[in-house]
Amino acid sequence: ETGVTQSPTHLIKTRGQQVTLRCSSQSGHNTVSWYQQALGQGPQFIFQYYREEENGRGNFPPRFSGLQFPNYSSELNVNALELDDSALYLCASSLDRERVKNIQYFGAGTRLSVL
Amino acid sequence: AQKITQTQPGMFVQEKEAVTLDCTYDTSDPSYGLFWYKQPSSGEMIFLIYQGSYDQQNATEGRYSLNFQKARKSANLVISASQLGDSAMYFCAMRENRDDKIIFGKGTRLHILP
Repeated sequence: ETGVTQSPTHLIKTRGQQVTLRCSSQSGHNTVSWYQQALGQGPQFIFQYYREEENGRGNFPPRFSGLQFPNYSSELNVNALELDDSALYLCASSLDRERVKNIQYFGAGTRLSVL
Repeated sequence: AQKITQTQPGMFVQEKEAVTLDCTYDTSDPSYGLFWYKQPSSGEMIFLIYQGSYDQQNATEGRYSLNFQKARKSANLVISASQLGDSAMYFCAMRENRDDKIIFGKGTRLHILP
């Protein structure tokens, strides 16, 4: 158990809808990263939040947005869903982005299906 | 350019044998970290082992060891005495010190046979 929890575990949406995925970080972790993992692929970095501010972003359009709250929990929001957004969305928390050895601990993910 | 390469899409290994999962990487950052994660069918990415670019010795964590060959940009995972529970996807990943994201390879699916 990593102490990182994600909800919901599964979600089905239709094209054009909006979705919010949630993540509760491991206690004391101030950095959260979100990844998209398409079937048969490795996870792709979406963005990272550090102390409630976006700290880095991968090659994802602006309709992917996020929030980090004072208790370090986090949300991933996706607007105008497309079929290609169907994937496993993984949240990872880490203790301190300044450390060289910055191990990210992952949750079990939310599997999103867009119909 | 692909930064993490895992050339073995799938492997079958007999229980109790040792197995080596290959990983090569590419970076110009002198400071970086290399990771291996295990992903069972449940989906959760489980951290296994870490190797820093400046670490003098190869990392070990229980049955896991990392064969780090810096000049070859290679970071192979060795699992000793494999168990049925080791059947899963295994991902090699890298974090450059100038960046915060982790870059993952495409993974190797390991099957342990009884």
